[in-house]
Amino acid sequence: EPEVTQTPSHQVTQMGQEVILRCVPISNHLYFYWYRQILGQKVEFLVSFYNNEISEKSEIFDDQFSVERPDGSNFTLKIRSTKLEDSAMYFCASSAQFNEQFFGPGTRLTVL
Amino acid sequence: DAKTTQPPSMDCAEGRAANLPCNHSTISGNEYVYWYRQIHSQGPQYIIHGLKNNETNEMASLIITEDRKSSTLILPHATLRDTAVYYCIVRIYSGSARQLTFGSGTQLTVLP
Repeated sequence: EPEVTQTPSHQVTQMGQEVILRCVPISNHLYFYWYRQILGQKVEFLVSFYNNEISEKSEIFDDQFSVERPDGSNFTLKIRSTKLEDSAMYFCASSAQFNEQFFGPGTRLTVL
Repeated sequence: DAKTTQPPSMDCAEGRAANLPCNHSTISGNEYVYWYRQIHSQGPQYIIHGLKNNETNEMASLIITEDRKSSTLILPHATLRDTAVYYCIVRIYSGSARQLTFGSGTQLTVLP
């Protein structure tokens, strides 16, 4: 069964450093998403992406965040200068048109 | 998207049916009811969705009341692996990359 994959599973970084979280969506999906979940809190939407541009973004997704689909398979989330409060699980998801979203296993980001 | 209300927690005996309620009294005519679950910090997993008719798939059944103001997710024979947080989400069934808004959900604990 096709699935969304994410790398790395755990990323540790120093405050102020840049991180790139990687996702490989399901191959025939056209819509891509990033969500995050701070420990013990709700899953929060960050951004959605379609046709090589951002469709929606939340207030969380400020200028420190960016997304990219650098090739036909990867979808990345970059945080330019990490803060302590960016520590969270980051989930990538993808969907076909009109269909449900499939989530990856997540990347645990720890900012020290 | 309409707001939903779910009980914070429920228990169910293994092998019995788990019935998870959700209230969505402000749902509008073009909004669907979606159910996802999250097993211990893994990525959320799609379960089922519906508009007004009852729906069934290999995982669960969804019963939507005639006035569409509430619904029930039924896991017919709960197993220990069904222990998870279950989220009821109401949103428009759209061709665009629309976000999912997760609430606090219901923590279902399946007891041996």
